[in-house]
Amino acid sequence: EVQLVESGGGLVQPGGSLRLSCEASGFNFGRHEMNWVRQAPGKGLEWVSYISESGSSIYYADSVKGRFTVSRDNAKSSLYLQIITVRAEDAALYYCVRDSGYNSAFDYWGQGTLVTVSS
Amino acid sequence: DIQMTQSPSSLSASVGDRVTITCRASQSISRYLNWYQQSPGSAPKLLIYAASSLQSGVPSRFSGSGSGTDFTLTISSLQPEDVATYYCQESYKTPRYRFGQGTKLEIK
Repeated sequence: EVQLVESGGGLVQPGGSLRLSCEASGFNFGRHEMNWVRQAPGKGLEWVSYISESGSSIYYADSVKGRFTVSRDNAKSSLYLQIITVRAEDAALYYCVRDSGYNSAFDYWGQGTLVTVSS
Repeated sequence: DIQMTQSPSSLSASVGDRVTITCRASQSISRYLNWYQQSPGSAPKLLIYAASSLQSGVPSRFSGSGSGTDFTLTISSLQPEDVATYYCQESYKTPRYRFGQGTKLEIK
């Protein structure tokens, strides 16, 4: 059974930093592109970041470029998102998402880890 | 950037009704369009990929159509468990993806 379990969310002050993690199981992690998608409270879905199977290709949404860093450790079947210089608008539920490889459709989603921004 | 516009933003329908949600892209995206269902309190779930291909395990009452700029998600006979917010997603400009703003579906 495919599972994606996020962790690392919590309360952070504006300007602070945190690192989100996603532990994958039930599939060959190193053979899938992965993404982070976030959802602010009561709002829609926003794609945040992409990383290729090997980690050699990385992309970010303009809203997070320069502040977010995505990485992966295929040996540990884990995906990471480092966030620095946190802003109020970064408050959201962050989902770890698997790319199915078909039409770049996201076929498995974790339950999300919540980032709250407050001083 | 490609913009994705869904309509309506919300709708209310009765059990058994045929429901249609549309998604329009600001430029042609061929068939690079996926649909997701997000039930209250849950993570999104993939319903349709490549505009019209049904994801494994998804009930056959869900279908997708369209190409180019105009796409449709149809529920042939609305069921109570279909109460959710539905999102379209373009995957043409990979890997910079855009979602529609969502359509909230309720039971009348």
